[in-house]
Amino acid sequence: AQKVTQAQTEISVVEKEDVTLDCVYETRDTTYYLFWYKQPPSGELVFLIRRNSFDEQNEISGRYSWNFQKSTSSFNFTITASQVVDSAVYFCALSEASGYSSASKIIFGSGTRLSIRP
Amino acid sequence: GAVVSQHPSWVICKSGTSVKIECRSLDFQATTMFWYRQFPKQSLMLMATSNEGSKATYEQGVEKDKFLINHASLTLSTLTVTSAHPEDSSFYICSARAGQSGNTIYFGEGSWLTVV
Repeated sequence: AQKVTQAQTEISVVEKEDVTLDCVYETRDTTYYLFWYKQPPSGELVFLIRRNSFDEQNEISGRYSWNFQKSTSSFNFTITASQVVDSAVYFCALSEASGYSSASKIIFGSGTRLSIRP
Repeated sequence: GAVVSQHPSWVICKSGTSVKIECRSLDFQATTMFWYRQFPKQSLMLMATSNEGSKATYEQGVEKDKFLINHASLTLSTLTVTSAHPEDSSFYICSARAGQSGNTIYFGEGSWLTVV
């Protein structure tokens, strides 16, 4: 069975601090996708990144970076020099590889509520 | 880019009535759509997988007679909450899978349902 664990329920840091959101996943599939989404108070899901299970390269996008380690089944997300606008709930998610079945459903972690204080 | 639109964004209905939420893929065909429910301060929980032209596949614990899903075309799936009760008040969000291969999934903006 697939499972995504975000152990940090809430994190609060002062603006300009770096913060890392943890994500640990479980899956029996050898091919899968990992995601991070941002959900501001308005509710919509903002797509941040998708990572294929065969691509363990870390990625950096501006102040955002992701560390994917298959050995520990983790896909952590770091925000550098945090800003107040980063305040939101962040979800890590997992999806098995697509096919012609009803695959590709995304399983979400419980989310981490991030508050950036000015 | 691809867009998935949900309507309505907000809806208030009386207890006992039914309410329909639409999920449309605006510039691509979606053979598969997914419906999620999110209670306040909780995660998104998959309710069902909607396949065009066939019956939806419901997750364990989701009442298929209460949450009717219809996916009659490649661009539209609807979720009807029948005989709604206050405990059905939630944020409902859909996603659509683009194409048969690959794993590109787009989410709608979500629909806030309040049952009074």
